[in-house]
Amino acid sequence: GDSVTQMEGPVTLSEEAFLTINCTYTATGYPSLFWYVQYPGEGLQLLLKATKADDKGSNKGFEATYRKETTSFHLEKGSVQVSDSAVYFCALSDAGSYQLTFGKGTKLSVIP
Amino acid sequence: GAVVSQHPSWVICKSGTSVKIECRSLDFQATTMFWYRQFPKQSLMLMATSNEGSKATYEQGVEKDKFLINHASLTLSTLTVTSAHPEDSSFYICSARGVNTGELFFGEGSRLTVL
Repeated sequence: GDSVTQMEGPVTLSEEAFLTINCTYTATGYPSLFWYVQYPGEGLQLLLKATKADDKGSNKGFEATYRKETTSFHLEKGSVQVSDSAVYFCALSDAGSYQLTFGKGTKLSVIP
Repeated sequence: GAVVSQHPSWVICKSGTSVKIECRSLDFQATTMFWYRQFPKQSLMLMATSNEGSKATYEQGVEKDKFLINHASLTLSTLTVTSAHPEDSSFYICSARGVNTGELFFGEGSRLTVL
């Protein structure tokens, strides 16, 4: 079955540091890939997505590129802020489906 | 943006009792809602998919008689944990898909603790 593996946290960075959260997946066919973010006390929010190979999703300074050859969708941001502190979930859905398969989540803490 | 609200956000109950968790889409109509369960340091596991006006579809291994799901309207789905036991203690999260959009919106989650 489908699965998503993301780097375990917690990750602690200083403000303005570079962020990478690794995510790899296994799936049949050509899934869509997502990054969700959960701020403290709030529900998950879609951060960005990519629906086909080589697509780059971007939002709020975050980027991730759909790499079919390495089955990866790593999340990056060039300069993190304290307000980026949250839990980040990598997820996939099979083509035509709204059901999501999630990774375990990575908690990011950004300190001033 | 669209808002999905869960209630209660936190509940403690005695073993053997039943607990109902509500999931409401506040500013859009949701044809489909999903219920997830999350254990500490684990990923969200899909429990069931509910479509308005029809029976929920449960994932393999999820007891449908224990986790009763009702999706009676386009803005409300409920999850009832019947005869709860300590092993049912978990974080339950719902998501909803709008009628006119393919995007999923998530509730803030409900933490259940069974004593």
